[in-house]
Amino acid sequence: GQNIDQPTEMTATEGAIVQINCTYQTSGFNGLFWYQQHAGEAPTFLSYNVLDGLEEKGRFSSFLSRSKGYSYLLLKELQMKDSASYLCAVVDSNYQLIWGAGTKLIIKP
Amino acid sequence: ETGVTQTPRHLVMGMTNKKSLKCEQHLGHNAMYWYKQSAKKPLELMFVYSLEERVENNSVPSRFSPECPNSSHLFLHLHTLQPEDSALYLCASSLKGDGQADTQYFGPGTRLTVL
Repeated sequence: GQNIDQPTEMTATEGAIVQINCTYQTSGFNGLFWYQQHAGEAPTFLSYNVLDGLEEKGRFSSFLSRSKGYSYLLLKELQMKDSASYLCAVVDSNYQLIWGAGTKLIIKP
Repeated sequence: ETGVTQTPRHLVMGMTNKKSLKCEQHLGHNAMYWYKQSAKKPLELMFVYSLEERVENNSVPSRFSPECPNSSHLFLHLHTLQPEDSALYLCASSLKGDGQADTQYFGPGTRLTVL
């Protein structure tokens, strides 16, 4: 079967750095998405990785290792507004999107 | 501001009611999606429409009936639902409809409670 694993919940401190991991076992790979979802709101696109390496976008970076079936989202200089759920999703060989259950990130002052 | 809107935002219905969820996208996209989101579970894809044609129906019970009258509007008609259908129903759109390796833009969802 196809599976995406990410931690259910993480806690971090304002101003710090946090890394949210995502591991996947899918039939093929055609890219990996990260979305952010604040409580009661729409998921919003953060990043898309299809090649190995680190993609940096302001305070947020996303890393991919296809050989390890692994990605992480790195959030720097955490702000209270970063409290949200972070969803990892992989595009498989049939171009179907396989979603993880999401990681709820709690930021404390 | 979002390019994808959904109404209503909250809905409470009995098991014998009939109701409809509405989604509208203002992004000029060609594909639209319905998802079910339950607490602590992955998003479940229900239906995909590409250029107003249904291209995917993921074994969804017939008590959910989608309708896509044009590329900007998507409906989900509900009848004789069960309490386990209570969830957040999300609509999304993407520019292309050929597969899902395309960034999806989501609406805020309808929080559905079935009594």
